[in-house]
Amino acid sequence: EAQVTQNPRYLITVTGKKLTVTCSQNMNHEYMSWYRQDPGLGLRQIYYSMNVEVTDKGDVPEGYKVSRKEKRNFPLILESPSPNQTSLYFCASGLTGLASYNEQFFGPGTRLTVL
Amino acid sequence: GNSVTQMEGPVTLSEEAFLTINCTYTATGYPSLFWYVQYPGEGLQLLLKATKADDKGSNKGFEATYRKETTSFHLEKGSVQVSDSAVYFCALYSGGSNYKLTFGKGTLLTVNP
Repeated sequence: EAQVTQNPRYLITVTGKKLTVTCSQNMNHEYMSWYRQDPGLGLRQIYYSMNVEVTDKGDVPEGYKVSRKEKRNFPLILESPSPNQTSLYFCASGLTGLASYNEQFFGPGTRLTVL
Repeated sequence: GNSVTQMEGPVTLSEEAFLTINCTYTATGYPSLFWYVQYPGEGLQLLLKATKADDKGSNKGFEATYRKETTSFHLEKGSVQVSDSAVYFCALYSGGSNYKLTFGKGTLLTVNP
């Protein structure tokens, strides 16, 4: 089954304790991205990656890091989480190129609470 | 910059009622338009899409037509079911190397039996 998986699905942590949210896709997509969803704000892009070893900032990258060492994986790293990073996080993947029309596939989400 | 404006919710309907969720956009060029649905506790699923003017996207009884003259992509369904209760997001992609989707804020739909 084609899918994007994320782990963990739920996480409660404390300020300053480093954490990683994993994302994996099995569709051989070049493109992967992280979004955060906050009430009244919709989804905002954090980071994206066009391919292995190619990553770039989205609209709200502060406080986050990513890496893309393998095509299927795109972990999101919070080196020192703060309460304003409490949010629902989505990983997405998709093809690139004109024919793709940028249809993106989303993971189930990770609900993070930082105390 | 690009933006998507969709009607504020929540929207509450009775089963078999007609649904319209308005979506208008501002974008450069000729964007691709999407509706995503988020069922309770789940991630976003692509509901339908349209990639050029006058295209009609449809899926699961939902429809939306890409209207370039009014920059709109309203979601409609003739007869909603309780199982349609979810949050609906309108989104666009207008090109750019970041392949970023620009989302509206979402509309919560509740359908009562």
